[in-house]
Amino acid sequence: GDSVTQMEGPVTLSEEAFLTINCTYTATGYPSLFWYVQYPGEGLQLLLKATKADDKGSNKGFEATYRKETTSFHLEKGSVQVSDSAVYFCALSGSARQLTFGSGTQLTVLP
Amino acid sequence: DAMVIQNPRYQVTQFGKPVTLSCSQTLNHNVMYWYQQKSSQAPKLLFHYYDKDFNNEADTPDNFQSRRPNTSFCFLDIRSPGLGDAAMYLCATEGLSSYNEQFFGPGTRLTVL
Repeated sequence: GDSVTQMEGPVTLSEEAFLTINCTYTATGYPSLFWYVQYPGEGLQLLLKATKADDKGSNKGFEATYRKETTSFHLEKGSVQVSDSAVYFCALSGSARQLTFGSGTQLTVLP
Repeated sequence: DAMVIQNPRYQVTQFGKPVTLSCSQTLNHNVMYWYQQKSSQAPKLLFHYYDKDFNNEADTPDNFQSRRPNTSFCFLDIRSPGLGDAAMYLCATEGLSSYNEQFFGPGTRLTVL
């Protein structure tokens, strides 16, 4: 079945540091890929998405590229802010049209 | 703004006392989902509706039921909450043309005393 493997956390960075959160997936066919962000006590918000190979999703300075050859969708940001502190979930939607989530990565950014 | 609304945001119930959580949407999406999320874990799908067609996940306990009286509303009923049912409950919707993107509500935090 479909699965998502996400970099374990927690991750702690200083403000303005570079962020990478690794995500790899296993799926049949051509899944859509997503990064969701969850702030404390809130629901999930879509951060970015990519629906086909080589697509780059971007939003709020975050980027991720759909790499079919390496089955990866790593999240990157060049300069993180304290307000980026949250839990980040990588997810895929395959032929069953349901989301398969990674385990989540807690990011804390220190001033 | 089109959105997914969950009420209440915080719900406290007693062990064994039935509770209902509600979700409404203004997106006119065909598909609605209920997830359970425990602390520091990924959301776990409980069930979903494709229009009125109900789909239960194989490992969803019988204690959990759902109703969708119309396109806009969906309810989660927990018939006899146990301490292990304390969690965040998330509702999400999906439109058929949204490339499988799900839109989440803010969640209801359930506490069982």
